[in-house]
Amino acid sequence: GDSVTQMEGPVTLSEEAFLTINCTYTATGYPSLFWYVQYPGEGLQLLLKATKADDKGSNKGFEATYRKETTSFHLEKGSVQVSDSAVYFCALGGATNKLIFGTGTLLAVQP
Amino acid sequence: NAGVTQTPKFQVLKTGQSMTLQCAQDMNHEYMSWYRQDPGMGLRLIHYSVGAGITDQGEVPNGYNVSRSTTEDFPLRLLSAAPSQTSVYFCASSYSRGTVTDTQYFGPGTRLTVL
Repeated sequence: GDSVTQMEGPVTLSEEAFLTINCTYTATGYPSLFWYVQYPGEGLQLLLKATKADDKGSNKGFEATYRKETTSFHLEKGSVQVSDSAVYFCALGGATNKLIFGTGTLLAVQP
Repeated sequence: NAGVTQTPKFQVLKTGQSMTLQCAQDMNHEYMSWYRQDPGMGLRLIHYSVGAGITDQGEVPNGYNVSRSTTEDFPLRLLSAAPSQTSVYFCASSYSRGTVTDTQYFGPGTRLTVL
């Protein structure tokens, strides 16, 4: 079945460091791919998405490119801030009416 | 718009008790779903609905019931609570019917502890 694998955390970075959180997927057909973010004590909210191969989603300085050849959707940001500290979830949405989430990656940014 | 609302925010139950977690949305979304979030497990889909009167099972449906009598409401019922159901529960909704390519809007969550 469909699945998402993302790197385990926690990821600890200093402010202004470069961020990469890896995400790979297994799916039949042509899924949509998402990154959701969960700030402490809150529900999840959409960070960015891509609906077809080679699409790049971007928001708040974060970006991710839908790579069909490597079945990947890695999240990147050039310069992280303390306010980016959160849990990041990669997710896959296919034709089955079900959104499949990865296990989440905790990002801690230190000043 | 209030978006997706969930009540209660916190709940403690004893083993064997039943309860209903409430979820409501005011965005006229067709698709609604319930997830549980456990450490190291990410979010797992419990049940979902593609419209009023239509529900289906997700990945971990055992011990939970749902119904969808209106577009706005999607309550989750725990029939006989067990300690394994201790978790944080999230309700989500999206516009599309029959697909999950649209943005999911999440509620703030209900933290449930079963003793």
